[in-house]
Amino acid sequence: EVQLLQSGGGLVQPGGSLRLSCAASGFTFSSFAMSWVRQAPGKGLEWVSAISGSSGSTHYADSVKGRFTISRDNSKTTLYLQMNSLRAEDTAVYFCAKQEYGGNWGALSDYWGQGTLVTVSS
Amino acid sequence: QSVLTQPPSASGTPGQGVTVSCSGSSFNIGRNYVYWYRHLPGTAPKLLIYKNDQRPSGVPDRFSGSKSGTSASLAISGLRSEDEADYYCAAWDDTLSGPVFGGGTKLTVL
Repeated sequence: EVQLLQSGGGLVQPGGSLRLSCAASGFTFSSFAMSWVRQAPGKGLEWVSAISGSSGSTHYADSVKGRFTISRDNSKTTLYLQMNSLRAEDTAVYFCAKQEYGGNWGALSDYWGQGTLVTVSS
Repeated sequence: QSVLTQPPSASGTPGQGVTVSCSGSSFNIGRNYVYWYRHLPGTAPKLLIYKNDQRPSGVPDRFSGSKSGTSASLAISGLRSEDEADYYCAAWDDTLSGPVFGGGTKLTVL
């Protein structure tokens, strides 16, 4: 059974940093690209970032480019999102997601984590 | 606002059918597969339909998807109270080089 267990959310001041984690199990982690998607309060879903299975390529939405860094540790089957220079508009529930197929980024997701709330406020 | 357009709400009575629409453009729905997810706040979104009209194992055949041009639809027949949730459409967008989503449709079973 595929499981994606998230941790690391919380309250942070504007300009601060936070790291999200997503521990995966139930599939060959290194064979699949992974991504982060967020949902701001009262809003729809927004893709944030993605990483290939081998960590050879990373991809970011313009809204977070230069501030967020996605990474993964295939030996620990864990996905990360390092968020720096956080802004109020980054406040959202963040979901990690497994790509439906393939290690290269280019498809939608089949399994999602439960989400973790990030609140950026002074 | 979201790249894909969905009605914010839909409703039906138990046993009835309901359809949720999703409109996009030639850069996303027009040339790529459509996916549908069901989401209850506080839980993980669940894949309902992939590649326009395919159901993952375990998803009842009460749920069906279709696509025509730059629009797609999710049809739910035989509504049950447990179908109450938010439903999101999604598609790959060639200009973004990533997925885009609808704003979600909140389904109420009256």
